[in-house]
Amino acid sequence: DAKTTQPNSMESNEEEPVHLPCNHSTISGTDYIHWYRQLPSQGPEYVIHGLTSNVNNRMASLAIAEDRKSSTLILHRATLRDAAVYYCILGASNTGKLIFGQGTTLQVKP
Amino acid sequence: GAVVSQHPSWVICKSGTSVKIECRSLDFQATTMFWYRQFPKQSLMLMATSNEGSKATYEQGVEKDKFLINHASLTLSTLTVTSAHPEDSSFYICSARGQGGYSNQPQHFGDGTRLSIL
Repeated sequence: DAKTTQPNSMESNEEEPVHLPCNHSTISGTDYIHWYRQLPSQGPEYVIHGLTSNVNNRMASLAIAEDRKSSTLILHRATLRDAAVYYCILGASNTGKLIFGQGTTLQVKP
Repeated sequence: GAVVSQHPSWVICKSGTSVKIECRSLDFQATTMFWYRQFPKQSLMLMATSNEGSKATYEQGVEKDKFLINHASLTLSTLTVTSAHPEDSSFYICSARGQGGYSNQPQHFGDGTRLSIL
């Protein structure tokens, strides 16, 4: 299973944009890039996913590098409720399994 | 849409008993469900993949006789922790993926079951 590398933690100020990076240099051509987030004592929540093109939804934007070896999750205006652990995961193209890494703990300061 | 319900949310029981956890997809049919375990301050660890009507596929190191998984319908999968011991205490989380392709579909997670074995 291809692995991802994320910073352990990041800080942001409320109402400011947040860019969460993820490296996945061993990604295969058919692996999708998924982002989930997890609040304490809850199950993970789907945020966004994509293959090659940048993606936008109501929660966030996903910017994917042209060589697909890295991606960035963009929260346009961080709120206190966005404080969570963010996981960048490659969806295995043959099984669909998600193998979670350690993720990035995002702190949002008021 | 795409709601996954997990029950119970919290269970405390004595060592040696068996505990069953249910995972239901409430508004969609889930051909595949996944079971994860998470210890405090750690990430989720995939335990097994459950496909409706067939045997579960367990990850390396997960005892299939201890963690029994049944996926008898398109909306329900169960995980039974047999003869539970204190080291089995953990946060168990299920997820469900709908019909269709594999890696292009997101998984929808339940809110987890906190299991404490005394």
